[in-house]
Amino acid sequence: NAGVTQTPKFQVLKTGQSMTLQCAQDMNHEYMSWYRQDPGMGLRLIHYSVGAGITDQGEVPNGYNVSRSTTEDFPLRLLSAAPSQTSVYFCASRDKNTEAFFGQGTRLTVV
Amino acid sequence: SQQGEEDPQALSIQEGENATMNCSYKTSINNLQWYRQNSGRGLVHLILIRSNEREKHSGRLRVTLDTSKKSSSLLITASRAADTASYSCATGNSGTYKYIFGTGTRLKVLA
Repeated sequence: NAGVTQTPKFQVLKTGQSMTLQCAQDMNHEYMSWYRQDPGMGLRLIHYSVGAGITDQGEVPNGYNVSRSTTEDFPLRLLSAAPSQTSVYFCASRDKNTEAFFGQGTRLTVV
Repeated sequence: SQQGEEDPQALSIQEGENATMNCSYKTSINNLQWYRQNSGRGLVHLILIRSNEREKHSGRLRVTLDTSKKSSSLLITASRAADTASYSCATGNSGTYKYIFGTGTRLKVLA
């Protein structure tokens, strides 16, 4: 049982490049979310999904796209990376009104 | 804006002492959770308390919830150096599917 798996763990991008952060869970959870964490701040919600085919925006959605074609996968896409997107990204999954399970994070640097 | 606000932002205590952290929130909730995060790692769920509960225990952890004051506290008894981490509260808000995190309390337990 792997839980929530995020890849890659580290990434360096140049401004303007695009990339996809991968997130997969094997717990059959309905709800999946992406957060970013900046130094000295708590987790901020980027996008979330309540099931396959259903996504919605969180607190800081600009510059990010998501899709949820399967229950297991919830990729986060940066279409044109900016230095302001330098952060640590966490994916989480859960069932309704239960605790969230987090991946180990992706440390992204945009230069 | 952050839903949960932890207090204090940082706390330093001696091993064996108790540590108390507080969380305040703004809107109606279904539940409130506490998480622990070691430096550079993902968050780990500690305890979830539902809006109709007032107190919950798990090992050396005690969580209280006062919905009239929109606040919660996390007590760690007989702290150990291994408890050194950041502790965050998250709220599951009524009427939405979002879990919103606070900024966290950085706890340092000195051996």
